[in-house]
Amino acid sequence: AQSVAQPEDQVNVAEGNPLTVKCTYSVSGNPYLFWYVQYPNRGLQFLLKYITGDNLVKGSYGFEAEFNKSQTSFHLKKPSALVSDSALYFCAVRDPNSGAGSYQLTFGKGTKLSVIP
Amino acid sequence: KAGVTQTPRYLIKTRGQQVTLSCSPISGHRSVSWYQQTPGQGLQFLFEYFSETQRNKGNFPGRFSGRQFSNSRSEMNVSTLELGDSALYLCASSLEEVLSSEQFFGPGTRLTVL
Repeated sequence: AQSVAQPEDQVNVAEGNPLTVKCTYSVSGNPYLFWYVQYPNRGLQFLLKYITGDNLVKGSYGFEAEFNKSQTSFHLKKPSALVSDSALYFCAVRDPNSGAGSYQLTFGKGTKLSVIP
Repeated sequence: KAGVTQTPRYLIKTRGQQVTLSCSPISGHRSVSWYQQTPGQGLQFLFEYFSETQRNKGNFPGRFSGRQFSNSRSEMNVSTLELGDSALYLCASSLEEVLSSEQFFGPGTRLTVL
């Protein structure tokens, strides 16, 4: 079975500083990995994904993520945080080898990011 | 293209009642998934439909059911509501037959059970 862990419930960072939101995963084969962001009273917005290829993936709003197969991690990063980045961030995994061609995503518990002015 | 739409946005029901939530996927998307989001359990997969067939189901009781219509619109139904069913219910759609595709989420329906 696949699983995702986000070890930090909350991350606080000062505006202008780099930010990292951590994610580790467990899946039997090669994973498809995703990051989503959720603002209050909104659905989830897609940020970026790793499917294959270059381990550094660039996404929306200046976010990027680094896939590390040996550490089974997919940490989300941004060089300079903005107050508007404050939101709830979810890491998710899909196992393409799970059979039945399902699009099901398994999510982490989420990390609340607070960017302090 | 219009995004995923969900109706209604908010619902208040009492225990024992039933409720139906609706989801319209992005035009051209034939796969629709439903998730339940609660503060305690996070995001949990309910079920997934593709071309009017349930392709996958999460670990929820039989009170939770769904269906998909020929135009890809989907509904989910919860019967005999319990207090613990209070949650944000999210619908997501995906481009068919491309497993590497991201899912696009609607704004959700906030269900409160009193």
